Order: sequence, then C-alpha cells, then structure tokens
Amino acid sequence: DAKTTQPPSMDCAEGRAANLPCNHSTISGNEYVYWYRQIHSQGPQYIIHGLKNNETNEMASLIITEDRKSSTLILPHATLRDTAVYYCIVFGSSNTGKLIFGQGTTLQVKP
Amino acid sequence: KAGVTQTPRYLIKTRGQQVTLSCSPISGHRSVSWYQQTPGQGLQFLFEYFSETQRNKGNFPGRFSGRQFSNSRSEMNVSTLELGDSALYLCASSLAQGVQPQHFGDGTRLSIL
Repeated sequence: DAKTTQPPSMDCAEGRAANLPCNHSTISGNEYVYWYRQIHSQGPQYIIHGLKNNETNEMASLIITEDRKSSTLILPHATLRDTAVYYCIVFGSSNTGKLIFGQGTTLQVKP
Repeated sequence: KAGVTQTPRYLIKTRGQQVTLSCSPISGHRSVSWYQQTPGQGLQFLFEYFSETQRNKGNFPGRFSGRQFSNSRSEMNVSTLELGDSALYLCASSLAQGVQPQHFGDGTRLSIL
C-alpha cells in the first residue's frame, strides 16, 4: 500500500501557482519524498525529490515540513500543459527499486 | 540524451499466446524496473534488474518474467496470456540501485483479445 495520502483532484487557473499537498505521516528517517506526474498516454515523468530540506529545480519546488509528515509540490506558474496526474511517493533504499504509486492527484489547469 | 525507449508501442495478442517487450534504458543507466498500469489497479511494480540480476519482484504470477543484458537493455516476457494482462507496461531506468530517480519510457500498450 502507498504510504502517502493525496487529494483526488484539484483545479488551478492558468498562470497561477499550483500547490499540491501530500501527507506521509509514517515516513522513515531515511526515506525520500518523490514527485512524478503522468500526462495522458505517456509514462510518468520525474519532477523532484527531497529528504528534509526544501528543493527547487526548473520544473517545481518541493516544501517539506519540519516533522517530515507532509509536503507540498509547487508549480509556480501553471500552464495548460501541466494538466496531469501527480503522484507523491515515499521511497527509500529498502524499496530496492520499487516505487509504490497511489492514486495521485488529478490537476486540471483551466484557462 | 535519448530517453528510455520501449518497443513495440502497441501490441495485440490472443489468449494463450506469449509476448516479449523490450526496453532500452538511458545511456549509462544500469538499473531497470518494470511496471504494469491498468485502470483498476493503477501502477504496480513488476520487477527490478541491476547488473543482469533480478533484485526485487512484485506480486505477480510466474508467467511474468524478465531479464537484463550486459548492455543494461531489458526484456520482459508474459506467457500464457490472459485477458487481464491487457495493460500499459512501463519500463523505467536509473543510474544505479538505491535512492535514484527513475526515468520512464512511454510504455507498450498490450491488448489481449
């Protein structure tokens, strides 16, 4: 079973920031938080990951709470092409290559 | 840099047949994982290969098997196909084992008639 909880769907206006929450209250100290997204008919796309510090790359920012029990993926200026299913995954070395996908959040970016 | 390449993109088979799917990882990547995606079960892990050895296996019957070659390319095989095997089969590669980002191909869509 997935170790994360995400809202099933969210809407965002084009050009605004999209903030996608994720709860992972049972995360272990050596487990990372990973984010992927899947656009219809494509394979999942890696977005970002972090352990305990906030992370930023060209696609998004990841904010992890101090107790590491939740995180937020931020798409700073959402476009229509960001419409996708977003998956938050807890992943550690004990997983041995196994990503456990939950149901994810379907983000709909509207014009 | 080329991404993960999966062939074929689409495949139609009948019950009882077998099928082999191919995956070429990103150059330099040595770990390959396979996943099955269906509308009912979502994305489920099949197995992971590193250095030509299966390192982890998901909860699938023995009809599902795989292998990895010395150049890191991987194949998965499904024997005695069932209607329920209709799915999108995804391959992902990463630099090595451990906590490394996995990068996915666009999958092979397998339909069983």
